[in-house]
Formats: sequence, structure tokens, C-alpha cells
Amino acid sequence: GQSLEQPSEVTAVEGAIVQINCTYQTSGFYGLSWYQQHDGGAPTFLSYNALDGLEETGRFSSFLSRSDSYGYLLLQELQMKDSASYFCAAKWDSNYQLIWGAGTKLIIKP
Amino acid sequence: GAVVSQHPSRVICKSGTSVKIECRSLDFQATTMFWYRQFPKQSLMLMATSNEGSKATYEQGVEKDKFLINHASLTLSTLTVTSAHPEDSSFYICSASRAGGPNNSPLHFGNGTRLTVT
Repeated sequence: GQSLEQPSEVTAVEGAIVQINCTYQTSGFYGLSWYQQHDGGAPTFLSYNALDGLEETGRFSSFLSRSDSYGYLLLQELQMKDSASYFCAAKWDSNYQLIWGAGTKLIIKP
Repeated sequence: GAVVSQHPSRVICKSGTSVKIECRSLDFQATTMFWYRQFPKQSLMLMATSNEGSKATYEQGVEKDKFLINHASLTLSTLTVTSAHPEDSSFYICSASRAGGPNNSPLHFGNGTRLTVT
């Protein structure tokens, strides 16, 4: 079957760095996306990795290893506003359909 | 940036009535839009893929006669929850991707509609 695994919850301290891992198992694979969702809101796009390696966008970076079917989202200089759920999603066909992980709730403590 | 507008943001309706949710891509054309449903503290569940000018493709277990989808133009898709019941109460989210965009085009999401059926 097709699935993505990510931790249900991660806790970190304001100003620190946190890594959220995602492993995937899909019949086809085009790339891995990351989305942020605050409580009561809609998901917002953070990053997309189609090739192996690290993509950096400001305080957020995303990594992909296709050979390991693994990726991660790295958040640096954590701020309280980063408290949210983070979803990895695999694009498995050319029609923009995504398979979603269950989400990781990031709790940030002062 | 690409904007998707979803309306209404909240709706409360009585059991047995129908509710229509609109999803519009404001500054781009979207040949394909997706409708998701999300229960509290859970991931997004894809309900159906809406294709402009053709019938929607529903995921397994989603009743097409209950969740009517119409994608009449490149910028508008609607989801109608017919004969709503309390178990239909949920957070419904639409998303769209830019038509003809590159393979890594992100999905842009509407702000969601929180439906409460009493």
C-alpha cells in the first residue's frame, strides 16, 4: 500500500532547531512536499523536493533521499508562531495528487 | 502569489438540508481542483478530484450522490453536501494547482469551510 510515516508530535524550545522526519512508501514517486497547518486554518505550502538533497528557504529547509525513501523538514531559530502541524505529502502521479502523512504537531516551549 | 478563495468559511445547517461550498482560483487557471475533508487532529482525506468540464473522480468510500462536485470553469469548483447529517460535520478544504504549471507546482489551498450539521 501507499503510506507516509511521520512522528505524531515533536516538542522543542524557542530559538532551537528541530527536524521532522518522513518516510514514504508509494507505488510511484515524483517528489515530497511539506505543508504547515495552524489550528483551524488551511495547509500552506512550505517546500517541495523532487531531487535528492537539501532545499533551503529562509529558516526552513527540506531534505530528500530517494534511495532511502526518506525526507525531513528542518526548522531553525524556532519562533512561537511556528507552533503548528506539519504534513509531508508525496506526489505519486503527474496529476498533482498527493498522499498525505498523518501530520506532526510541533509544540514550542519558551 | 496564487490565491484560492473558499466560501463560506463557516456554515451551520439543519439535518436534511443541502450546503454548497465554492472554491475559486483568483489569479490563475486550475484544470484540476481537489476536495479534502479533515477531522480534528487528523490528516487530510482526499474526497474527490474535480476536473474542469468533466465528471469528478471520487475516492473509494465517498458517495458521489451525496457530495456533488461541479467544475464548470477553470476558476470555479463547487462541492454540495446533499441531505446533510451530523456525521457530515467536518472541515472541508479545496485545493488547486496552476494549469500547465511545472511538475513541482504546489497545491494552493482555500481557507477551508467548517460545516456543522445540527
